[in-house]
Amino acid sequence: QKEVEQNSGPLSVPEGAIASLNCTYSDRVSQSFFWYRQYSGKSPELIMSIYSNGDKEDGRFTAQLNKASQYVSLLIRDSQPSDSATYLCAVKRTSYDKVIFGPGTSLSVIP
Amino acid sequence: EAEVAQSPRYKITEKSQAVAFWCDPISGHATLYWYRQILGQGPELLVQFQDESVVDDSQLPKDRFSAERLKGVDSTLKIQPAELGDSAMYLCASSGLASGRSGGETQYFGPGTRLLVL
Repeated sequence: QKEVEQNSGPLSVPEGAIASLNCTYSDRVSQSFFWYRQYSGKSPELIMSIYSNGDKEDGRFTAQLNKASQYVSLLIRDSQPSDSATYLCAVKRTSYDKVIFGPGTSLSVIP
Repeated sequence: EAEVAQSPRYKITEKSQAVAFWCDPISGHATLYWYRQILGQGPELLVQFQDESVVDDSQLPKDRFSAERLKGVDSTLKIQPAELGDSAMYLCASSGLASGRSGGETQYFGPGTRLLVL
């Protein structure tokens, strides 16, 4: 079992719709969770970080964490073509452990 | 806005040659990371520094890769000799603990160095 798993996609949604990106992780003691966006040929950029169970909202983005189910998701409301990118889920045990990245999910927002 | 700097941005080399990449983290960030990202995959940690000390290099192919951060600021990653399978994006990132948050730490990535080994 891989440590961090994501659907590779591609996930296609029409402009204005909600895009839902999912991620599961295997290490139950993980404490920190991150979503990065990566445009083709560019480096990852942090969108959201979440540490506690529940929802965390930032603009059009909502991260959801369920530690009991070892599941973290990212919702993008009112999707725009500029949201088309690969979204990387990343998980960390403690501040001193390494970050484990998932393989990423490719999102395409169709105008 | 502070950024992580990397150079070169692109490197083409022939197999068996030596290559070196440089990274300058965000000022004040004690933790520095080197990642390798193969097309279609997530970044894989090669080495992590805390100041000038190596914290994790378990995935670094030590027969050909080396990394140093002598003064605890900028860092160099070297490959000698390069192999065809080393073609990838090499990403540097830095982080500092989020104030008052246990278990919280975000990484900021540089633009990366795209390596092509022929």
